[in-house]
Amino acid sequence: EVQLVESGGGVVQPGRSLRLSCAASGFTFDDYAMHWVRQVPGKGLEWVSGITWNSDRLEYVDSVKGRFTISRDNTKNSLYLQMNSLTAEDTAFYYCAKNSHPEGAFWPGDYMDVWGKGTTVTVAS
Amino acid sequence: DIQMTQSPSSLSASVGDRVIITCRTSQNINKCLNWYQHKPGHAPELLIYSASTLQSGVPSRFSGSGSGTDFTLTISSLQPEDFATYSCQQSYTAPFTFGRGTKLEIK
Repeated sequence: EVQLVESGGGVVQPGRSLRLSCAASGFTFDDYAMHWVRQVPGKGLEWVSGITWNSDRLEYVDSVKGRFTISRDNTKNSLYLQMNSLTAEDTAFYYCAKNSHPEGAFWPGDYMDVWGKGTTVTVAS
Repeated sequence: DIQMTQSPSSLSASVGDRVIITCRTSQNINKCLNWYQHKPGHAPELLIYSASTLQSGVPSRFSGSGSGTDFTLTISSLQPEDFATYSCQQSYTAPFTFGRGTKLEIK
């Protein structure tokens, strides 16, 4: 069974850091690009970041550039999101998602075909 | 960045109704448009990709159409399990933006 399981969420003070992890199973992890997507309570989904299979291309939404870093360890079938300088606006439910294309890059027309159940990040003093 | 305008933001409908949700993009994205369904406490699920291709396992009452900048998601006959939030997403270029979502509620 293809599965993604996020962990690492929690309550953190503004300005502090948190590292999210996503454990993948049931597919050849290093064949696929991966994404992080978040949902602020009561609002829509927001794409946060993406990474190609070999980490040669990293993409971020403007609001997290310079603060968040996406990475992966293909030997551990794991995806990460290092979040620094957190603010209240980063409070959200964070999902990892698998990219659809099996060649590991981002291609126009790709989609996110497998999602984890998410982990909650709350930034509050 | 490509801007996504999704409408309506919320919609009340009854079981059996036909529902149409629209998504407009700020630039031509060909058919690089996907639709997702998400419910509280659950992972989002892919419904439609490439504007009109039904994801495996998704009921045929869901359909998508459009290309360029204008897209629609149609649910032909609402079922009780369809009351959820629906979001469009462009995969033409990074950042891979989502629409603000349409919350579909029971009338």
